[in-house]
Amino acid sequence: GAVVSQHPSRVICKSGTSVKIECRSLDFQATTMFWYRQFPKKSLMLMATSNEGSKATYEQGVEKDKFLINHASLTLSTLTVTSAHPEDSSFYICSAPRPAGGYTDTQYFGPGTRLTVL
Amino acid sequence: QQQVKQSPQSLIVQKGGISIINCAYENTAFDYFPWYQQFPGKGPALLIAIRPDVSEKKEGRFTISFNKSAKQFSLHIMDSQPGDSATYFCAASVISNFGNEKLTFGTGTRLTIIP
Repeated sequence: GAVVSQHPSRVICKSGTSVKIECRSLDFQATTMFWYRQFPKKSLMLMATSNEGSKATYEQGVEKDKFLINHASLTLSTLTVTSAHPEDSSFYICSAPRPAGGYTDTQYFGPGTRLTVL
Repeated sequence: QQQVKQSPQSLIVQKGGISIINCAYENTAFDYFPWYQQFPGKGPALLIAIRPDVSEKKEGRFTISFNKSAKQFSLHIMDSQPGDSATYFCAASVISNFGNEKLTFGTGTRLTIIP
């Protein structure tokens, strides 16, 4: 079953409004979560690393004030797209590393959120 | 140096055939190489992963071949089925004491299995 959930799965909003997307790890704690953006038929572009208890780390070229990230608890990270514009329309996906035992974690991805800004 | 190059961009394979997707990396610090499968409108799902201490890993019909000296790794799907039609991404990351670091993704391969 799913180990990372996202809500909502789809959202349509008007230009200028803000949209919040939630990412939850379902049966494990995640001190780190990752937020990606994916354009149609393209690869995943890492936007930022969400850190529980500290500020998010943004990738080069990603506007911190535009994409607000809050890692509220060990199972929840939120991405808020502020003052959304049509060019922000995209598929947003989060991921969380889940301890797999042994030498490495396994990164699980959420089902994604389709944002459409009119 | 952080790039992961993936080929081909698209691939059509007949049902029952072998699908092969290749990736190459530059950063020698990478030590974790997963493959993800993504269906339209869904998030990527982990398929299989390998670390550089082995040259091959097999799980069911899926096999990763890893060539450390050439800095290349590939995914082989045996007995390809129409249900395998999806986009496949290779990725790489560095495992640190803090766990799994961020993934660097390849550009993706759209696989279509025809009857």
